[in-house]
Amino acid sequence: DAKTTQPNSMESNEEEPVHLPCNHSTISGTDYIHWYRQLPSQGPEYVIHGLTSNVNNRMASLAIAEDRKSSTLILHRATLRDAAVYYCILRDPLFGGSNYKLTFGKGTLLTVNP
Amino acid sequence: DAGVTQSPTHLIKTRGQQVTLRCSPISGHKSVSWYQQVLGQGPQFIFQYYEKEERGRGNFPDRFSARQFPNYSSELNVNALLLGDSALYLCASSRAETYEQYFGPGTRLTVT
Repeated sequence: DAKTTQPNSMESNEEEPVHLPCNHSTISGTDYIHWYRQLPSQGPEYVIHGLTSNVNNRMASLAIAEDRKSSTLILHRATLRDAAVYYCILRDPLFGGSNYKLTFGKGTLLTVNP
Repeated sequence: DAGVTQSPTHLIKTRGQQVTLRCSPISGHKSVSWYQQVLGQGPQFIFQYYEKEERGRGNFPDRFSARQFPNYSSELNVNALLLGDSALYLCASSRAETYEQYFGPGTRLTVT
């Protein structure tokens, strides 16, 4: 079962910032927080990941709470192409510990209004 | 560089039949994972292979099997198809011990 909880849907206006929340109250000290998104009719796409510190890349920023029980994905200026389902994931280790699977929940459906 | 490729794009099968889905990972990626995504749900993990060895298996019946070839491409086989096997089957590749999995566009399987 997914170890994260997210709102089912959120709505934003184009060119405005979007803050997508995620709760992961049972996170362990070694769990990395991952975000993927899935655009319509496509496979999921990696967005960003982090452990403790806030992270930035060309797609988004990830803000992690000090107790690590929640995080927020920030899209600084939403565009119509950002309309997708966003998944917050804690990876699950597989055999040997160096391989991981992704356990997806239902994610948050982000609608971007023009 | 080419991304993850999957074939076929779409497939229609009849209950009881068998199906083989194919995946080519990104060059240099030695790990391939398979996921099933039914409509309205997030992808569910089926298998992961690394260096041709099975590294993990999700909660799927033995009708599902997979293998990885020396060139790191992979096949997913499903026997005795059920209507409930209708789904989007996604393949993802990664370098082991890194953080990102790169997904292909998927194969849409319809069982009638």
